[in-house]
Amino acid sequence: GQNIDQPTEMTATEGAIVQINCTYQTSGFNGLFWYQQHAGEAPTFLSYNVLDGLEEKGRFSSFLSRSKGYSYLLLKELQMKDSASYLCAVIDSNYQLIWGAGTKLIIKP
Amino acid sequence: SQTIHQWPATLVQPVGSPLSLECTVEGTSNPNLYWYRQAAGRGLQLLFYSVGIGQISSEVPQNLSASRPQDRQFILSSKKLLLSDSGFYLCAWRDRENTEAFFGQGTRLTVV
Repeated sequence: GQNIDQPTEMTATEGAIVQINCTYQTSGFNGLFWYQQHAGEAPTFLSYNVLDGLEEKGRFSSFLSRSKGYSYLLLKELQMKDSASYLCAVIDSNYQLIWGAGTKLIIKP
Repeated sequence: SQTIHQWPATLVQPVGSPLSLECTVEGTSNPNLYWYRQAAGRGLQLLFYSVGIGQISSEVPQNLSASRPQDRQFILSSKKLLLSDSGFYLCAWRDRENTEAFFGQGTRLTVV
Protein backbone atom coordinates (compact mmCIF):
# COMPACT_ATOMS: atom_id res chain seq x y z
CA GLY A 1 0.00 0.00 0.00
CA GLN A 2 0.93 3.64 -0.20
CA ASN A 3 1.82 5.47 2.96
CA ILE A 4 2.92 8.93 3.99
CA ASP A 5 3.90 9.60 7.61
CA GLN A 6 4.09 12.95 9.35
CA PRO A 7 4.03 13.82 13.05
CA THR A 8 0.52 14.62 14.20
CA GLU A 9 1.38 17.76 16.12
CA MET A 10 4.39 19.94 16.90
CA THR A 11 4.88 22.96 19.13
CA ALA A 12 7.45 25.71 18.63
CA THR A 13 8.21 29.18 19.92
CA GLU A 14 7.79 32.42 18.01
CA GLY A 15 11.05 33.43 16.37
CA ALA A 16 12.49 29.91 16.48
CA ILE A 17 13.07 27.31 13.76
CA VAL A 18 11.04 24.15 13.29
CA GLN A 19 11.51 21.13 11.01
CA ILE A 20 8.51 19.04 9.96
CA ASN A 21 9.42 15.61 8.63
CA CYS A 22 7.64 13.49 6.05
CA THR A 23 8.49 9.92 5.07
CA TYR A 24 6.78 8.17 2.21
CA GLN A 25 6.36 4.74 0.68
CA THR A 26 4.57 5.03 -2.64
CA SER A 27 4.30 3.17 -5.92
CA GLY A 28 6.69 5.36 -7.84
CA PHE A 29 7.64 8.96 -7.29
CA ASN A 30 7.11 11.98 -9.50
CA GLY A 31 7.47 14.80 -7.02
CA LEU A 32 6.56 15.96 -3.53
CA PHE A 33 4.53 18.96 -2.38
CA TRP A 34 4.15 20.81 0.87
CA TYR A 35 0.93 22.66 1.59
CA GLN A 36 -0.13 24.96 4.42
CA GLN A 37 -3.69 24.79 5.74
CA HIS A 38 -5.08 27.21 8.29
CA ALA A 39 -8.01 25.98 10.36
CA GLY A 40 -11.24 26.01 8.38
CA GLU A 41 -9.53 27.01 5.16
CA ALA A 42 -8.35 25.26 2.01
CA PRO A 43 -4.73 24.12 1.64
CA THR A 44 -2.36 26.47 -0.16
CA PHE A 45 0.77 25.45 -2.04
CA LEU A 46 4.13 26.06 -0.36
CA SER A 47 6.80 24.09 -2.22
CA TYR A 48 7.62 21.41 -4.75
CA ASN A 49 10.60 19.03 -4.79
CA VAL A 50 11.35 16.51 -7.51
CA LEU A 51 15.15 16.32 -7.31
CA ASP A 52 17.25 15.65 -4.22
CA GLY A 53 18.33 18.67 -2.27
CA LEU A 54 17.08 21.83 -0.67
CA GLU A 55 14.64 24.32 -2.16
CA GLU A 56 14.57 27.66 -0.38
CA LYS A 57 11.75 30.16 -0.56
CA GLY A 58 11.99 32.99 1.92
CA ARG A 59 11.49 31.73 5.48
CA PHE A 60 10.45 28.31 4.21
CA SER A 61 12.73 25.60 2.82
CA SER A 62 11.97 22.07 1.73
CA PHE A 63 14.39 19.16 1.43
CA LEU A 64 14.09 15.88 -0.44
CA SER A 65 16.01 12.60 -0.38
CA ARG A 66 14.47 10.19 -2.86
CA SER A 67 16.72 7.30 -1.84
CA LYS A 68 15.49 7.59 1.74
CA GLY A 69 11.87 8.39 0.90
CA TYR A 70 12.18 11.45 3.10
CA SER A 71 11.42 15.13 3.02
CA TYR A 72 11.29 17.94 5.52
CA LEU A 73 9.85 21.42 5.64
CA LEU A 74 11.95 23.95 7.53
CA LEU A 75 10.32 27.09 8.85
CA LYS A 76 12.59 29.86 10.12
CA GLU A 77 11.84 32.98 12.19
CA LEU A 78 8.48 31.57 13.19
CA GLN A 79 5.55 33.94 13.37
CA MET A 80 2.21 33.44 15.06
CA LYS A 81 0.54 33.33 11.64
CA ASP A 82 2.54 30.16 10.86
CA SER A 83 0.22 28.27 13.22
CA ALA A 84 -1.46 25.88 10.79
CA SER A 85 -1.41 22.33 9.54
CA TYR A 86 1.29 21.36 7.05
CA LEU A 87 0.46 18.65 4.54
CA CYS A 88 2.95 16.52 2.64
CA ALA A 89 1.79 15.03 -0.68
CA VAL A 90 3.56 12.74 -3.15
CA ILE A 91 2.81 12.23 -6.85
CA ASP A 92 2.92 8.49 -7.50
CA SER A 93 3.64 6.55 -10.68
CA ASN A 94 0.05 7.10 -11.87
CA TYR A 95 0.45 10.84 -11.30
CA GLN A 96 -2.05 10.71 -8.46
CA LEU A 97 -1.51 12.83 -5.36
CA ILE A 98 -1.07 10.80 -2.18
CA TRP A 99 -1.64 12.90 0.93
CA GLY A 100 -0.24 12.68 4.41
CA ALA A 101 -2.56 13.35 7.35
CA GLY A 102 -0.84 16.65 8.07
CA THR A 103 1.13 18.07 10.97
CA LYS A 104 -0.56 20.62 13.21
CA LEU A 105 1.99 23.27 14.15
CA ILE A 106 1.30 25.31 17.28
CA ILE A 107 3.32 28.49 17.75
CA LYS A 108 3.66 29.87 21.28
CA PRO A 109 4.70 33.43 22.13
CA SER B 1 -5.05 33.76 -14.28
CA GLN B 2 -6.80 30.65 -13.13
CA THR B 3 -9.42 30.66 -10.40
CA ILE B 4 -11.58 28.02 -8.81
CA HIS B 5 -14.98 28.65 -7.32
CA GLN B 6 -16.72 26.31 -4.91
CA TRP B 7 -20.05 26.84 -3.24
CA PRO B 8 -21.70 26.99 -0.83
CA ALA B 9 -19.15 27.71 1.91
CA THR B 10 -21.29 26.17 4.64
CA LEU B 11 -24.29 23.89 4.53
CA VAL B 12 -26.49 22.27 7.16
CA GLN B 13 -28.68 19.48 5.83
CA PRO B 14 -30.99 16.95 7.50
CA VAL B 15 -30.31 13.23 7.26
CA GLY B 16 -31.91 11.78 4.14
CA SER B 17 -31.89 15.02 2.18
CA PRO B 18 -30.14 15.39 -1.20
CA LEU B 19 -26.86 17.20 -1.76
CA SER B 20 -25.36 19.15 -4.62
CA LEU B 21 -22.01 20.92 -4.35
CA GLU B 22 -20.70 22.74 -7.37
CA CYS B 23 -17.20 23.65 -8.44
CA THR B 24 -16.09 25.63 -11.48
CA VAL B 25 -12.67 26.53 -12.79
CA GLU B 26 -11.82 29.57 -14.87
CA GLY B 27 -8.79 30.41 -16.97
CA THR B 28 -7.75 26.92 -18.01
CA SER B 29 -9.05 24.15 -20.23
CA ASN B 30 -9.23 20.38 -19.76
CA PRO B 31 -8.13 20.45 -16.13
CA ASN B 32 -7.97 17.38 -13.93
CA LEU B 33 -10.67 17.90 -11.28
CA TYR B 34 -10.89 16.40 -7.81
CA TRP B 35 -13.30 16.14 -4.88
CA TYR B 36 -11.77 15.55 -1.45
CA ARG B 37 -13.27 15.18 2.01
CA GLN B 38 -11.42 16.10 5.16
CA ALA B 39 -12.59 14.99 8.60
CA ALA B 40 -11.67 17.24 11.52
CA GLY B 41 -7.94 17.05 12.22
CA ARG B 42 -7.40 14.51 9.47
CA GLY B 43 -5.81 14.38 6.03
CA LEU B 44 -7.45 14.63 2.64
CA GLN B 45 -9.49 11.67 1.43
CA LEU B 46 -9.86 11.53 -2.35
CA LEU B 47 -13.49 10.88 -3.29
CA PHE B 48 -13.60 11.39 -7.07
CA TYR B 49 -11.40 12.63 -9.85
CA SER B 50 -12.03 13.43 -13.49
CA VAL B 51 -9.67 13.82 -16.43
CA GLY B 52 -12.37 14.94 -18.88
CA ILE B 53 -16.07 15.56 -19.52
CA GLY B 54 -18.14 12.59 -18.41
CA GLN B 55 -15.06 10.74 -17.10
CA ILE B 56 -15.34 10.07 -13.37
CA SER B 57 -13.19 7.80 -11.23
CA SER B 58 -14.40 6.87 -7.77
CA GLU B 59 -11.88 6.13 -5.06
CA VAL B 60 -14.16 5.34 -2.15
CA PRO B 61 -17.48 3.43 -2.39
CA GLN B 62 -20.19 5.42 -0.63
CA ASN B 63 -23.49 7.14 -1.19
CA LEU B 64 -21.91 10.07 -3.03
CA SER B 65 -21.59 10.55 -6.77
CA ALA B 66 -19.86 13.04 -9.02
CA SER B 67 -20.52 14.41 -12.48
CA ARG B 68 -18.65 16.58 -14.96
CA PRO B 69 -21.22 17.98 -17.36
CA GLN B 70 -18.86 20.62 -18.75
CA ASP B 71 -15.08 20.85 -19.08
CA ARG B 72 -14.65 23.18 -16.12
CA GLN B 73 -17.58 22.13 -13.93
CA PHE B 74 -17.50 19.38 -11.33
CA ILE B 75 -20.50 18.48 -9.18
CA LEU B 76 -20.68 16.34 -6.05
CA SER B 77 -24.08 14.86 -5.27
CA SER B 78 -25.95 12.59 -2.95
CA LYS B 79 -29.55 11.37 -3.08
CA LYS B 80 -29.78 10.77 0.67
CA LEU B 81 -27.27 12.18 3.12
CA LEU B 82 -26.01 10.21 6.12
CA LEU B 83 -24.69 11.61 9.38
CA SER B 84 -21.27 10.24 8.41
CA ASP B 85 -21.24 12.49 5.33
CA SER B 86 -20.49 15.50 7.53
CA GLY B 87 -17.10 17.02 6.84
CA PHE B 88 -15.11 19.58 4.95
CA TYR B 89 -15.38 19.07 1.19
CA LEU B 90 -12.74 20.47 -1.10
CA CYS B 91 -12.71 20.76 -4.86
CA ALA B 92 -9.32 21.01 -6.59
CA TRP B 93 -7.83 21.21 -10.06
CA ARG B 94 -4.49 20.40 -11.62
CA ASP B 95 -3.26 21.57 -15.02
CA ARG B 96 -0.87 18.73 -15.85
CA GLU B 97 -0.19 15.55 -14.04
CA ASN B 98 2.91 16.72 -12.22
CA THR B 99 1.78 20.14 -11.14
CA GLU B 100 0.38 21.24 -7.83
CA ALA B 101 -3.29 21.13 -6.95
CA PHE B 102 -5.23 24.35 -6.45
CA PHE B 103 -8.16 24.23 -4.07
CA GLY B 104 -11.53 25.90 -3.83
CA GLN B 105 -12.54 27.56 -0.58
CA GLY B 106 -14.16 24.37 0.70
CA THR B 107 -17.67 23.53 1.90
CA ARG B 108 -18.33 22.76 5.53
CA LEU B 109 -21.19 20.25 5.47
CA THR B 110 -23.03 19.34 8.65
CA VAL B 111 -25.66 16.62 8.44
CA VAL B 112 -28.11 16.78 11.34
